Amino acid sequence: QKEVEQDPGPLSVPEGAIVSLNCTYSNSAFQYFMWYRQYSRKGPELLMYTYSSGNKEDGRFTAQVDKSSKYISLFIRDSQPSDSATYLCAMRGNTGKLIFGQGTTLQVKP
Amino acid sequence: AAGVIQSPRHLIKEKRETATLKCYPIPRHDTVYWYQQGPGQDPQFLISFYEKMQSDKGSIPDRFSAQQFSDYHSELNMSSLELGDSALYFCASSRGSNEQFFGPGTRLTVL
Repeated sequence: QKEVEQDPGPLSVPEGAIVSLNCTYSNSAFQYFMWYRQYSRKGPELLMYTYSSGNKEDGRFTAQVDKSSKYISLFIRDSQPSDSATYLCAMRGNTGKLIFGQGTTLQVKP
Repeated sequence: AAGVIQSPRHLIKEKRETATLKCYPIPRHDTVYWYQQGPGQDPQFLISFYEKMQSDKGSIPDRFSAQQFSDYHSELNMSSLELGDSALYFCASSRGSNEQFFGPGTRLTVL
């Protein structure tokens, strides 16, 4: 079993929908949580970086961390076709090594 | 803003050949990480360097080696290439152990 589990999708939504992406993890040592967006054959782009339980908002994106449940989420409001990509959750403990989820492929249809 | 630079962007090699991938971190970033991403897979951590010293090691084959130089750029050396080494190789950089920013990647194809 992988340390980080993420539903690979694909997830297809209409433009303007609210998207919810989720990851669960098993390692209690994870302290820092990230969401990356990756377009096909491109490098992962950092969207959100959090280190405490609760919510963090940045524009249309909200990251949510629940350490007690070992569960993190990314919400995308007013989704756009340009949001179509693979979304990777990632996390780490005290070392810099990132452990990624499998990635969720999102398609936003106009 | 300056980003992580990787070269070459594409590389085609034959089995048993060697390859060298280069990474230039964001200015003032002192930590470099290497990841390997196979087709349809998530990135897997290979190795990292902080202030020119190896700081962590992941699932990096013995055929691979890496180092970080005095100007903080890093090189990943891959020898005796195998078909299974075909993948995207990403470098990421950070200032200390803060957020990691990824480069565009090097696509390695081994024939």
